[in-house]
Amino acid sequence: DQQVKQNSPSLSVQEGRISILNCDYTNSMFDYFLWYKKYPAEGPTFLISISSIKDKNEDGRFTVFLNKSAKHLSLHIVPSQPGDSAVYFCAATNQAGTALIFGKGTTLSVSS
Amino acid sequence: SQTIHQWPATLVQPVGSPLSLECTVEGTSNPNLYWYRQAAGRGLQLLFYSVGIGQISSEVPQNLSASRPQDRQFILSSKKLLLSDSGFYLCAWTPVGGAEQYFGPGTRLTVT
Repeated sequence: DQQVKQNSPSLSVQEGRISILNCDYTNSMFDYFLWYKKYPAEGPTFLISISSIKDKNEDGRFTVFLNKSAKHLSLHIVPSQPGDSAVYFCAATNQAGTALIFGKGTTLSVSS
Repeated sequence: SQTIHQWPATLVQPVGSPLSLECTVEGTSNPNLYWYRQAAGRGLQLLFYSVGIGQISSEVPQNLSASRPQDRQFILSSKKLLLSDSGFYLCAWTPVGGAEQYFGPGTRLTVT
């Protein structure tokens, strides 16, 4: 049973436009959500997170939105840049310090 | 600042041979430590996590094992590798009470 789902394996966007990556979860006990970016042959890099008590968190070009009733979160990247091309993983946890549950990732390609 | 190291970076091993991957964290004390595997075309699968020396939790039954002989050292082992053990192995850490996990550079293991 996949508790964190990223239903779009890939996304292609033009430079300067908005990239929207989506993530759905099934476990209502999750209270903290994270996005990671991963380049090939490297470890994932933490991007941004959001607590379940919030519905939005912004950091520069990256904004994460959380809709608890829909059990859905999204990552917006504006404006998209070619260097943003990577695999993006959504992750969730229900207790700080325990394991994260990751989605399978979405490959973002930003063309110039 | 904190740093996480993994070695080796790449490894090619025959089926049936033993395995030992090492992960160390610098600049922090009493971190939670994690081992993940990313198989080709798949997401991140949690293998083991540890909240302290000698304390290991296994998430997936398999022929791998983990040990934490020192506070900032985490080792992934196998007595006999299988072809299905091929993948990209990632070590991660969190500070006590934290949710963001920080990943090492990874080890690419190919079992032939």
